[in-house]
Amino acid sequence: AQSVAQPEDQVNVAEGNPLTVKCTYSVSGNPYLFWYVQYPNRGLQFLLKYITGDNLVKGSYGFEAEFNKSQTSFHLKKPSALVSDSALYFCAVSPGGATNKLIFGTGTLLAVQP
Amino acid sequence: DTAVSQTPKYLVTQMGNDKSIKCEQNLGHDTMYWYKQDSKKFLKIMFSYNNKELIINETVPNRFSPKSPDKAHLNLHINSLELGDSAVYFCASSLSAGGITDTQYFGPGTRLTVL
Repeated sequence: AQSVAQPEDQVNVAEGNPLTVKCTYSVSGNPYLFWYVQYPNRGLQFLLKYITGDNLVKGSYGFEAEFNKSQTSFHLKKPSALVSDSALYFCAVSPGGATNKLIFGTGTLLAVQP
Repeated sequence: DTAVSQTPKYLVTQMGNDKSIKCEQNLGHDTMYWYKQDSKKFLKIMFSYNNKELIINETVPNRFSPKSPDKAHLNLHINSLELGDSAVYFCASSLSAGGITDTQYFGPGTRLTVL
């Protein structure tokens, strides 16, 4: 079965420090992976996706993610965290087939302290 | 201009009532979705429509009935509301049904509270 796991419910980081939000996946075919962010009382905003090619994917707001096939991971990273990055982050996988649905991880709350 | 919009933003109602949530997208996409986010923030797909045709129904109770009058609109009607239906419902859209790499764009959500 296709799935994603976000092992950390919450990540705390000081402003200006690098941040990593972890995601591992399990798929039977090619992995198509996405990161979304949800600010309080808002909808989900797309950050970036991995389809194929370069393992380092750059996205919105200075975020990037590293695809690692051997470790089946797709960790979200940012070199220098901002307080405004504090939000709920979701990793998702598109399982493929005839339909396009997203299977989401459980979410990781990122708290950036000033 | 809002790409994916939903109305209402908040919906408070009594058990047993029937209610509807509306969704519209102005992105020209062919495919629209409904997702449910529960109290623990877990997101799960409910339905997907491609150009007015149902293509995904994820074992959702038949009290939930999506309706797509045209490919820019996907409404969700819920009959006989139950306490467990309380959640945030998100509408989303993407370019095409078979586009497994297409980005899905989400609406702002509708917070449904059943009393």
